[in-house]
Amino acid sequence: KNQVEQSPQSLIILEGKNCTLQCNYTVSPFSNLRWYKQDTGRGPVSLTIMTFSENTKSNGRYTATLDADTKQSSLHITASQLSDSASYICVVSAFGSGTASKLTFGTGTRLQVTL
Amino acid sequence: NAGVTQTPKFQVLKTGQSMTLQCAQDMNHEYMSWYRQDPGMGLRLIHYSVGAGITDQGEVPNGYNVSRSTTEDFPLRLLSAAPSQTSVYFCASSPGGSNTEAFFGQGTRLTVV
Repeated sequence: KNQVEQSPQSLIILEGKNCTLQCNYTVSPFSNLRWYKQDTGRGPVSLTIMTFSENTKSNGRYTATLDADTKQSSLHITASQLSDSASYICVVSAFGSGTASKLTFGTGTRLQVTL
Repeated sequence: NAGVTQTPKFQVLKTGQSMTLQCAQDMNHEYMSWYRQDPGMGLRLIHYSVGAGITDQGEVPNGYNVSRSTTEDFPLRLLSAAPSQTSVYFCASSPGGSNTEAFFGQGTRLTVV
């Protein structure tokens, strides 16, 4: 069964500090890995998408890494801001039948940035 | 550019009632899908469509119907609401292809009493 596990479940950091969120997956056949940010009461918003051949991708202060051999990914947030408070969801896409790729969602890491 | 629009944002139903959650996108995306998000669980796929006139079941389709008569609209119907369907529902669209970004609506919070 395809699975995506994230750690930690929740995290509290001071504004301006860095943090790293982890994602382990067992999804086959692997197509790509995505990180989403979900603010409370809102839909997920894409941060990065990485394919098998990419091991690092940045989007502003967000940097995602991918190790396809160990099936691990991390999301590093630099110089955190209060607006970074949200849930961060790791999503792995597998090649599906026809043109519909299958997405497996992690349960997310809830990040709170405080003063 | 509105993106993906879901209505309503909140809804309370009585057990046994039926209703339709609306989803519309203005990006001319071929691929649309419905998910539910429950506490402590990742989003789970209910139904999806790869184009107008084509729909298929996802992981948790029981109790829900969909149709795709146009590229823009993908409504989700609850046939006879049950308390187990209390959840937050998200509609998403993407251009299609395995490496394309999915865009999500803001969600519909449904409570069945």
